[in-house]
Amino acid sequence: KAGVTQTPRYLIKTRGQQVTLSCSPISGHRSVSWYQQTPGQGLQFLFEYFSETQRNKGNFPGRFSGRQFSNSRSEMNVSTLELGDSALYLCASSKGQGRHEQYFGPGTRLTVT
Amino acid sequence: KQEVTQIPAALSVPEGENLVLNCSFTDSAIYNLQWFRQDPGKGLTSLLLIQSSQREQTSGRLNASLDKSSGRSTLYIAASQPGDSATYLCAVKTSNTGKLIFGQGTTLQVKP
Repeated sequence: KAGVTQTPRYLIKTRGQQVTLSCSPISGHRSVSWYQQTPGQGLQFLFEYFSETQRNKGNFPGRFSGRQFSNSRSEMNVSTLELGDSALYLCASSKGQGRHEQYFGPGTRLTVT
Repeated sequence: KQEVTQIPAALSVPEGENLVLNCSFTDSAIYNLQWFRQDPGKGLTSLLLIQSSQREQTSGRLNASLDKSSGRSTLYIAASQPGDSATYLCAVKTSNTGKLIFGQGTTLQVKP
């Protein structure tokens, strides 16, 4: 069974640009969550999607948005990039909400210059 | 507000030693707790999941315990190997959503 995949793996963008990251969950998983990891703040929850609906949102500005498609694949978008958005963005999938185990992808390393 | 703390931040041990990593959380009302491993620049690998009703889980040389009343979990690694060198993260789920709250991690180095 294939694991969680994320594309692209690496990105370099300039301040003010926007970026879209993609996540394909494990087959049969319907919940997708996104996290930002930085050396200073550690792992922080961005948002979760389940059945194409955002179910929970972390404390991030509105420049961070996401969506989920009918096949459970998810995308997150960051508009008007800032230097502080440089981070490893991780996607996690699980069978559903509740007590299910979460499985993480390899992440997308975003560098904003 | 739930907070998760991992002590120590870094640990260096000789190969073959048994070791314990600690994780504490401030609110005992959790759904479950999950231990992860992260190699440099990589994603997270799930090691063990302990539901709130369970006291411990085992997988190979790993054993994780959970004491909700004291807000503590430990990850026991038996007979450590250089390949165990990585950052170990614990995370708690406090609601019926996908949100995990992570500790800052313990970076483990096992010396040959």
